[in-house]
Amino acid sequence: GIQVEQSPPDLILQEGANSTLRCNFSDSVNNLQWFHQNPWGQLINLFYIPSGTKQNGRLSATTVATERYSLLYISSSQTTDSGVYFCAVERNRDDKIIFGKGTRLHILP
Amino acid sequence: EAQVTQNPRYLITVTGKKLTVTCSQNMNHEYMSWYRQDPGLGLRQIYYSMNVEVTDKGDVPEGYKVSRKEKRNFPLILESPSPNQTSLYFCASSLFPGGDTQYFGPGTRLTVL
Repeated sequence: GIQVEQSPPDLILQEGANSTLRCNFSDSVNNLQWFHQNPWGQLINLFYIPSGTKQNGRLSATTVATERYSLLYISSSQTTDSGVYFCAVERNRDDKIIFGKGTRLHILP
Repeated sequence: EAQVTQNPRYLITVTGKKLTVTCSQNMNHEYMSWYRQDPGLGLRQIYYSMNVEVTDKGDVPEGYKVSRKEKRNFPLILESPSPNQTSLYFCASSLFPGGDTQYFGPGTRLTVL
């Protein structure tokens, strides 16, 4: 089946730093989403981005579907950005959704 | 307010005692899913449904059942729970498969003793 790999698995940064999170996938997909799971366990969708680039405040994402990867950029990190970031893809052939194992981000004050 | 609700939020039960976790969405979404989240494994899809009376297995369906009799509800049934089903469960919905954002419920933490 399709593989979804996220890197790095863990990231510790000082407040104000920038970061880039990567999601690689091994097959063609219908769509790709980025989610943030906060320390209380709540899952919040950040971007629906099957291709192209989107921006929302300090966050932006780019998906290059032909090369099977997506990047999530976080600029000027804040402590509230801490948590786990997941990418999830929906397979073309059967609409199953596969999550990566996530990147755990810890922003130090 | 547009939302996905799950009940109960926390449940401790014993092996073999049938239980149901309810999921409801008020956004008229067609696509609904159940996931389990385990440390080191991320979220894995258990079952999904593309519309009323249409359900399909995800990656980890063993030991679970679902039904979709109404568009808004998608209950998860554990007929005979076992300790390896101890996990954090999420329900999610989206307007339609393949082209829309998923919205997640708050999660149900299940412990099977």
